Amino acid sequence: GQQLNQSPQSMFIQEGEDVSMNCTSSSIFNTWLWYKQDPGEGPVLLIALYKAGELTSNGRLTAQFGITRKDSFLNISASIPSDVGIYFCAGTISSGSARQLTFGSGTQLTVLP
Amino acid sequence: EAQVTQNPRYLITVTGKKLTVTCSQNMNHEYMSWYRQDPGLGLRQIYYSMNVEVTDKGDVPEGYKVSRKEKRNFPLILESPSPNQTSLYFCASSFNGQPQHFGDGTRLSIL
Repeated sequence: GQQLNQSPQSMFIQEGEDVSMNCTSSSIFNTWLWYKQDPGEGPVLLIALYKAGELTSNGRLTAQFGITRKDSFLNISASIPSDVGIYFCAGTISSGSARQLTFGSGTQLTVLP
Repeated sequence: EAQVTQNPRYLITVTGKKLTVTCSQNMNHEYMSWYRQDPGLGLRQIYYSMNVEVTDKGDVPEGYKVSRKEKRNFPLILESPSPNQTSLYFCASSFNGQPQHFGDGTRLSIL
């Protein structure tokens, strides 16, 4: 079953504001991935994290692999209208198969002009 | 262009009528998987395959079958669909299991 808690479930922000969302788990993860899903499309990989403490950026996006290996966060700076979508965290649990991804339930982001 | 292609994109059918959703990738990826997406539940893995003729159950395999006879194809089979299998389905592929590249989804409605 699902073992990731993603929050918040939804966010409404003004264009230009920064955004932060996170995922936590009671299990230790070996990898953390962040995806974005636009309506009618499949999830697209934004950032992949492979080591505890790793901080990685992709343009205005920054994600970190928590030191405890049980959490990760995603920050979006200076939001723009095209940031609208659903953001998912995902990862592989250290006690499970390296091929099995577990997903969070998603954060629905709305950017108001 | 690197792609994961699913067909059909939309299907409305009736309970008990066998159906197959095809998935094909052109990236020579060894790993392929199927997910279903339901509101508030994120994506849940149905089955995955690490190579030809190697498949394994994910979190929600009941009511589904898969096969991997060729590296590029990984069809999802619903032998006797039921209304609780109404969902949005995604196929994904990768070289080693992650990160995974997703298709555009198949929306199934089982009446």
